[in-house]
Amino acid sequence: TQLLEQSPQFLSIQEGENLTVYCNSSSVFSSLQWYRQEPGEGPVLLVTVVTGGEVKKLKRLTFQFGDARKDSSLHITAAQPGDTGLYLCAGLDNFNKFYFGSGTKLNVKP
Amino acid sequence: DVKVTQSSRYLVKRTGEKVFLECVQDMDHENMFWYRQDPGLGLRLIYFSYDVKMKEKGDIPEGYSVSREKKERFSLILESASTNQTSMYLCASSTLAGGLYEQYFGPGTRLTVT
Repeated sequence: TQLLEQSPQFLSIQEGENLTVYCNSSSVFSSLQWYRQEPGEGPVLLVTVVTGGEVKKLKRLTFQFGDARKDSSLHITAAQPGDTGLYLCAGLDNFNKFYFGSGTKLNVKP
Repeated sequence: DVKVTQSSRYLVKRTGEKVFLECVQDMDHENMFWYRQDPGLGLRLIYFSYDVKMKEKGDIPEGYSVSREKKERFSLILESASTNQTSMYLCASSTLAGGLYEQYFGPGTRLTVT
């Protein structure tokens, strides 16, 4: 059973479009992290959100943690081919254990 | 920058062989983890360690063991490799910094068992 559900699983868009990826759970997490993984490489940490309702921006990427700390979203504005990759969310529980979603595979076409 | 290195990027082994995957981190992190990643299943935790000589089972420990003799090194051992252990293996380390636990991953080892 996946504690964290990500949607959509796959996304193929044109350069310049906007997109949102969702990470949902019925469990509460003390923090939530987003990673980007390129083929054949390990995941790279993008951001950690901690407070319910928190919003963090990383250039064209906007991350939001839900008020109840059960869900999160990642919004990309004006997507670029360099944004292509697998986006993973991971929640940290109160026992310092990480739970990963199965990922959203994003392809941005030039 | 945190650096987590893994001994091999690609590995091909035969069924029944004993396989060692090595992971080293250079940031003095207390916690280290081994995951496997398979399409559609995401990352699944095999074992983790919160301190030297300490180990805890993750969600899928069967067929694996680990060793942590030094703080910076965490080894994953496949006692007798089987074809269903063909996968991408990812090592990670973490520490509490600024009130946050954040994980940092190595580049992964793609293991094929034939």
